[in-house]
Formats: sequence, C-alpha cells, structure tokens
Amino acid sequence: EPEVTQTPSHQVTQMGQEVILRCVPISNHLYFYWYRQILGQKVEFLVSFYNNEISEKSEIFDDQFSVERPDGSNFTLKIRSTKLEDSAMYFCASRIGQLNTEAFFGQGTRLTVV
Amino acid sequence: AQKVTQAQTEISVVEKEDVTLDCVYETRDTTYYLFWYKQPPSGELVFLIRRNSFDEQNEISGRYSWNFQKSTSSFNFTITASQVVDSAVYFCALSEVKDYKLSFGAGTTVTVRA
Repeated sequence: EPEVTQTPSHQVTQMGQEVILRCVPISNHLYFYWYRQILGQKVEFLVSFYNNEISEKSEIFDDQFSVERPDGSNFTLKIRSTKLEDSAMYFCASRIGQLNTEAFFGQGTRLTVV
Repeated sequence: AQKVTQAQTEISVVEKEDVTLDCVYETRDTTYYLFWYKQPPSGELVFLIRRNSFDEQNEISGRYSWNFQKSTSSFNFTITASQVVDSAVYFCALSEVKDYKLSFGAGTTVTVRA
C-alpha cells in the first residue's frame, strides 16, 4: 500500500542551526501539507502546497520556515535558526486532490532542539 | 474560523467495553468534511473515517461506527468491543472545501485495560 515517507524519524539539533525535514508523498498525490504537534498538544496546520507553490500557511509558518518540492518526489520543510520551541513532531501529509478525499500522513519526524 | 472541540481528555475502559468519543465542530461553510484519526503510542497518525457534510447517514465499519448530526454539529465515534490495541489518542478533524487543510481537536486519550 502506498504511504507517505518521512526522514529522518528523529533529529536533534542545536539552537540556531538550520534543519531540513524530508518527505516523499504518495506518488499520484497533488496536495502536500506540513503539520506540527508539540508534545502532548494537538496537531496544528503549518502549510499547504499545490502546483509548486504555497496555497495557504498558518500564523506559525513565518519567515523562519520554507517549503520546497525540489524534484518530482520530495517535499521538504526547512526551519532556519531553530529555537527551543520548535521542538515538536512534524508530520507531512498528502492528498490526491479530488473532492472528498482524506489526507494520508507520514510517520512523523521528531525534532528536538537543544 | 473552523474549530473542533473534543471535551473528553481521557477515557479508560476495560477490554470489550464500548467507547464513544465526542466531537463538536464549528464552521461557517455548508460543505465540509469530518475525519477521525488515531495516534497510537508509536506516534503516527492513522486515518480512520471520513464523512461529508451533505451525507448524514451513519455507518458501521467493523468495530468502528459514527454518528454524524448536523443539527447539533456533532460527529461522535464509537469503538465497539474495545481491545488493548485500541489504546491511542483519537483526533477529530474538520476540513473545509476552500483549502482542505485539517483543523484538529485536542484529542482524546483512550486507554483499554486487559
């Protein structure tokens, strides 16, 4: 069964460093998303991406964040100058693009900023 | 703005008992989608069910069933004959047609004891 794949599963980084979280969405999907879940809290929308551009972003998704689809398969989230409060589980999701379809999530990348 | 409320923080049951999870939502849209996702201790988000706003027919899928009532903006989810493997955090989510991004509730932690 096709699935969304995220790497790495866990990343530890020093405060102020840049990190890139990688995702391979399901191959025929057209809509891509990043969500964040701070430990013990609810899942929050960060950004949606369609047709090679951001379609919507939340207030959380400020200039510190960027997304890119560098080739036909990868979808990345870059976090510049990481802060302690960026520590969270980051989920990538993809959706096929037709109406009435669910988003499928990757297994998540746990980011720990120290 | 869309909003999802899961009033139950934690539910603990003994195996084989039924578990009903409550979800109340707010949206100004007439067309929207409702979802339930499961997050087991391993951390991934697993899609369970989806419902459209224009289809209030309630269904059963295996041990899962749901009760969608537009009049009360509720989308409750029931696990019948619970098993230990059902222990997880369950999230109700809402997406609107405009952008299909998911707004999640705070989640309900279900613990099923043997």
